[in-house]
Amino acid sequence: GQSLEQPSEVTAVEGAIVQINCTYQTSGFYGLSWYQQHDGGAPTFLSYNGLDGLEETGRFSSFLSRSDSYGYLLLQELQMKDSASYFCAVKDSSYKLIFGSGTRLLVRP
Amino acid sequence: KAGVTQTPRYLIKTRGQQVTLSCSPISGHRSVSWYQQTPGQGLQFLFEYFSETQRNKGNFPGRFSGRQFSNSRSEMNVSTLELGDSALYLCASSGLAGDNEQFFGPGTRLTVL
Repeated sequence: GQSLEQPSEVTAVEGAIVQINCTYQTSGFYGLSWYQQHDGGAPTFLSYNGLDGLEETGRFSSFLSRSDSYGYLLLQELQMKDSASYFCAVKDSSYKLIFGSGTRLLVRP
Repeated sequence: KAGVTQTPRYLIKTRGQQVTLSCSPISGHRSVSWYQQTPGQGLQFLFEYFSETQRNKGNFPGRFSGRQFSNSRSEMNVSTLELGDSALYLCASSGLAGDNEQFFGPGTRLTVL
């Protein structure tokens, strides 16, 4: 079967750095994406990694290691507004997105 | 540019009934995907349509069906509703099938009593 594993909850302090890990087992792999979803809101795209390495977009960075079937999302200089759920998603061999069950990030003052 | 819109936003049905949900993608987008979201389960892929053709289908029973029209608007239908169908149904659009970035609508919250 296909599965993506990510922690269910992470808590961090405002201004700190937090890393959300994602390991995957899928039939085929065409990239790892990250989405953010605030309570009651729609998921919004954060980043995409098609090749190994680090992609940086402002305070957010995402990393991929295809040999380890592993990636992470790094959030720096945490702000209260970063409290949300974060989903990793893999594009499988048929180009459909398979999502993890999400990591709920709580940022405390 | 207007975002993805979904109607209705909230729906209450009873077991055994059927329901149709609608999604209008971003103008110019031709790919529409549907997802079911339940607490703690993440987003489960239902199906994807591109240019009126179903490109992909997830592991859902045949009670779940969909279609796409020539203007790229999409509908999904669930027949013979069950309690377990209560969920947030999200649609997402992208310019091309398999695009890396998908744009999600606000979802339709379906409650089955």
